[in-house]
Amino acid sequence: GAVVSQHPSRVICKSGTSVKIECRSLDFQATTMFWYRQFPKQSLMLMATSNEGSKATYEQGVEKDKFLINHASLTLSTLTVTSAHPEDSSFYICSAGGGGNQPQHFGDGTRLSIL
Amino acid sequence: GDSVTQMEGPVTLSEEAFLTINCTYTATGYPSLFWYVQYPGEGLQLLLKATKADDKGSNKGFEATYRKETTSFHLEKGSVQVSDSAVYFCALSDRNQGGKLIFGQGTELSVKP
Repeated sequence: GAVVSQHPSRVICKSGTSVKIECRSLDFQATTMFWYRQFPKQSLMLMATSNEGSKATYEQGVEKDKFLINHASLTLSTLTVTSAHPEDSSFYICSAGGGGNQPQHFGDGTRLSIL
Repeated sequence: GDSVTQMEGPVTLSEEAFLTINCTYTATGYPSLFWYVQYPGEGLQLLLKATKADDKGSNKGFEATYRKETTSFHLEKGSVQVSDSAVYFCALSDRNQGGKLIFGQGTELSVKP
């Protein structure tokens, strides 16, 4: 069964709305989670590393004020897309685990559509 | 920096054909290597992994061997099925970078009956 749960799976909203996406590790504690963005027919682009109890580490070119990440507990990280615009429409995927030789486990993704 | 390169898709095969998807990598350290599969509209699922040179990962009939001398991790399956149609991602993880995954560009596989 799924070890990482991502919610919601799909969001359609108006331009200017802020959208929160949740990522939960179901049966393990995750001090680190990752947020990716995927454009159609393309690979995953790492946006940021979410660190429990501290600030997220953003990849170059990712706007910190646009994509707010909170990792308040060992099982939950949230990504908030603030004042979303049509260009923010994309497929967002989170993952947890990894480190050492262990694989990451991915959520099922969130399809965000901004009208 | 570290990188992963996969063969371009789409790859179209008939059912029961032999599959190879090439993957090569560059890394400064000693990475772990992974193949993930993504079905339409879904997240990624781990298909197999290898953590050191000459390791062979296998799952659901898929295999890949960690070849340090050629810096490769090619995915193979002897007989594909229609249900194998998906996008396949090769990835590496350097343990010194906290588990961060670096992905190849993905290869779309389409299997026809």
